[in-house]
Amino acid sequence: DIQMTQFPSALSASVGDRVTITCRASQRVGSYLHWFQQKSGKAPRLVIYAASSLESGVPSRFSGSGYGTDFTLTIDSLQPEDVATYYCQQTYTTPYTFGPGTSVDF
Amino acid sequence: QVQLVESGGGVVQPGRSLTLSCAASGFNFYNYDMQWVRQGPGKGLEWVALISYDGNKKNYEASVKGRFTISRDNSKNAIYLQMNGLRHEDTAIYYCAKEKNSYKTVIDHWGQGTLVTVSS
Repeated sequence: DIQMTQFPSALSASVGDRVTITCRASQRVGSYLHWFQQKSGKAPRLVIYAASSLESGVPSRFSGSGYGTDFTLTIDSLQPEDVATYYCQQTYTTPYTFGPGTSVDF
Repeated sequence: QVQLVESGGGVVQPGRSLTLSCAASGFNFYNYDMQWVRQGPGKGLEWVALISYDGNKKNYEASVKGRFTISRDNSKNAIYLQMNGLRHEDTAIYYCAKEKNSYKTVIDHWGQGTLVTVSS
């Protein structure tokens, strides 16, 4: 199975900060890497798919990059509504494994 | 709009069975692969299973393989997860999820989840 790691596991930032979360895969996954946002008590929401494609309806302050094994999710100018846990997931091969998550708060 | 509504969760004793259902609407269900993802209390997301649009391809996470069965009924716009031999570690919110049409494998819609608690 492909193992996914994320760092940091948690971060605290201020409104307007630029936030970067890193995800690493134990094997190459091409661009089959996606990012989800999960707010407390809610179902996850797709933010970035295929490493760098912004999902419809997601604010443009979210961006993704990377290929192969190393990926990043960046939030430019963090907003209060961005408080959430962010998960990466690879769908290069089953089982489609998730990273452990990064909690973002103020 | 896309709606996914899970049902069938509840409290069940270890070793017993439970079947979850997911009713889908707002899209051409028969064209889409579907998935189940779970989340244990206070834990992260864990992928469980997927089923192809026609039901011919199924894949499972290792810890549920042989115990869980994913299925679908395209005439009813529904998928199911039959769970046998339930264990304490299967306690979780189970989410039904739809794959994105323009990029297969990635989930673009989730249900609200149904809670399964395995406890004696």
